[in-house]
Amino acid sequence: NAGVTQTPKFQVLKTGQSMTLQCAQDMNHEYMSWYRQDPGMGLRLIHYSVGAGITDQGEVPNGYNVSRSTTEDFPLRLLSAAPSQTSVYFCASSYSRQGDSPLHFGNGTRLTVT
Amino acid sequence: ILNVEQSPQSLHVQEGDSTNFTCSFPSSNFYALHWYRWETAKSPEALFVMTLNGDEKKKGRISATLNTKEGYSYLYIKGSQPEDSATYLCAYNFWNYGQNFVFGPGTRLSVLP
Repeated sequence: NAGVTQTPKFQVLKTGQSMTLQCAQDMNHEYMSWYRQDPGMGLRLIHYSVGAGITDQGEVPNGYNVSRSTTEDFPLRLLSAAPSQTSVYFCASSYSRQGDSPLHFGNGTRLTVT
Repeated sequence: ILNVEQSPQSLHVQEGDSTNFTCSFPSSNFYALHWYRWETAKSPEALFVMTLNGDEKKKGRISATLNTKEGYSYLYIKGSQPEDSATYLCAYNFWNYGQNFVFGPGTRLSVLP
């Protein structure tokens, strides 16, 4: 069972470059989300989606774009990378859009912006 | 900005000790409270999802309780084992024109053999 697949696992970018972090799930989950994890802080929600064609902002959305054209995929785009975006990024999905089912996490992407 | 707090920040116990952690969250707009275990170099894995005031959940030696009126949840580990060493996260789920999660900073548990 693949579950939630994130690619790449590691990425180094220069300031100003753009890139897309990929996230795919094969569990037919309605809810998908992106978090960033920084030292000394909890996971912070960047963007989330409760179904194809529906996205919304979380706590720290600035500098990131998302789209949800299919149930399976939820890519995260960095439009112009900044050193403040150096972090570990996790994609997570859950069956229910209402928060009463557990989140399934991908293995994370470690991003460094120089 | 909603705030979810966890205490203690870290904990070192001997194998066989029982321990407990606290998660504090806002009592308004509550929908669910999640607990996750996060082992080093892995991704978080769900332990419990609780939605009702007074909920109690159990999985082996780990159990959790929920008080939504006062905004706290306890996680208990009975007879800690070295394999229980991990960071334990709680996440407050609320409904505000769409569901949203706020995670606490975690409690890091080390169980010494």
